[in-house]
Amino acid sequence: DTEVTQTPKHLVMGMTNKKSLKCEQHMGHRAMYWYKQKAKKPPELMFVYSYEKLSINESVPSRFSPECPNSSLLNLHLHALQPEDSALYLCASSQDDLADTGELFFGEGSRLTVL
Amino acid sequence: QKEVEQNSGPLSVPEGAIASLNCTYSDRGSQSFFWYRQYSGKSPELIMFIYSNGDKEDGRFTAQLNKASQYVSLLIRDSQPSDSATYLCAVNMGGYNKLIFGAGTRLAVHP
Repeated sequence: DTEVTQTPKHLVMGMTNKKSLKCEQHMGHRAMYWYKQKAKKPPELMFVYSYEKLSINESVPSRFSPECPNSSLLNLHLHALQPEDSALYLCASSQDDLADTGELFFGEGSRLTVL
Repeated sequence: QKEVEQNSGPLSVPEGAIASLNCTYSDRGSQSFFWYRQYSGKSPELIMFIYSNGDKEDGRFTAQLNKASQYVSLLIRDSQPSDSATYLCAVNMGGYNKLIFGAGTRLAVHP
């Protein structure tokens, strides 16, 4: 099983809503990532978890709150978002150290629209 | 200066030709470098990674790394229409698992 599963695939929310994006992998990977991708732009790193601990936060606004309940699950909690936060949110996982294989396994993404 | 720079393209090549994609990076301490391919509406997928100076070949793909010049390239030989996609250069920048992507080069292979 080489899948990273993200739910929901599409999400529309208002600026006052609270919602969550979910990501799951069963490859035994110990690093998990959130990236944000806007149309015709590259993926932009948001957060990295390694062994269930937050290791990188790329100065992301606090209206995005990541959570890693266990080594297979990664959540992104959303609150008081702005329309400019509308984007595709990609979850990825990798072996502990990217230097070993370099491979991020990406999910299909959750497309978020903020009204 | 952006951390990872690529020409956005589009790069248009005829079928069967060699496509050459280039990338420069700012962090001289970076040690690992990757090429991902992203089809429209899909997630990125890894094509190749390279750690050492020189060339690394895998089928029709060759990655080239020059750390002194902070330059990475990808050559695609015998280009096929199915190679038409955006190619993302990614660099593991200094920190642990901090993979930063360039803007991507859109490649169009025409029959």
